[in-house]
Amino acid sequence: QVQLVQSGAEVKKPGSSVKVSCKASGDTFTNYAINWVRQAPGEGLEWMGGIVPVFGTTNYAQKFQGRVTITADESTSTAYMELSSLRSEDTAVYYCARTGRQLVLVGFFDYWGQGTLVTVSS
Amino acid sequence: QSVLTQPPSVSGAPGQRVTISCTGSSSNIGAGYDVHWYQQLPGTAPKLLIYRNNNRPSGVPDRFSGSRSATSASLAITGLQAEDEADYYCQSSEVFGGGTKLTVL
Repeated sequence: QVQLVQSGAEVKKPGSSVKVSCKASGDTFTNYAINWVRQAPGEGLEWMGGIVPVFGTTNYAQKFQGRVTITADESTSTAYMELSSLRSEDTAVYYCARTGRQLVLVGFFDYWGQGTLVTVSS
Repeated sequence: QSVLTQPPSVSGAPGQRVTISCTGSSSNIGAGYDVHWYQQLPGTAPKLLIYRNNNRPSGVPDRFSGSRSATSASLAITGLQAEDEADYYCQSSEVFGGGTKLTVL
């Protein structure tokens, strides 16, 4: 059974950066893309970007270009999402999610992490 | 404002049938991208409900079904149960709908 386990909640100051991890187990890590989706309080889902670990290829939503970096460490089956220049509007739950089709960056997301709450506050 | 448009809320009594619409454009659904649906119970991560328009993952009851047309899609839930009360999201390519809150009366 595939599991995605994310790092714990974070509280950050405006202007700082946050790095959230997502450790995968139970299946081949490298062939499946890991995407990051966030959800602000009381709001809907928003795709941020993703990575296909075996290729190292990434794609980011235009809204986050220049502020988000997604990486993957194949040796530990862990993906990371780093968001910089944080502002209060970035307060949200951040989810990692696996694309259900091999070697494809975006498709349906069949497994999700439990979510990581990032709070941006002075 | 989401690229995919869903009704903010729908409701139905136990045992009834409800549908949730998802309207896109020529940039997503209309361009041939598949539609997927997720169920999100309060305080939990989204769960895949329907993939590639009308396919159910293992373990999802056949009370849930999906359909797709030119630039829109629908999720139907029959035999409504109290446990179906949740938020539902459609997705096409990398975009999500704004979500629909289902209330079981």
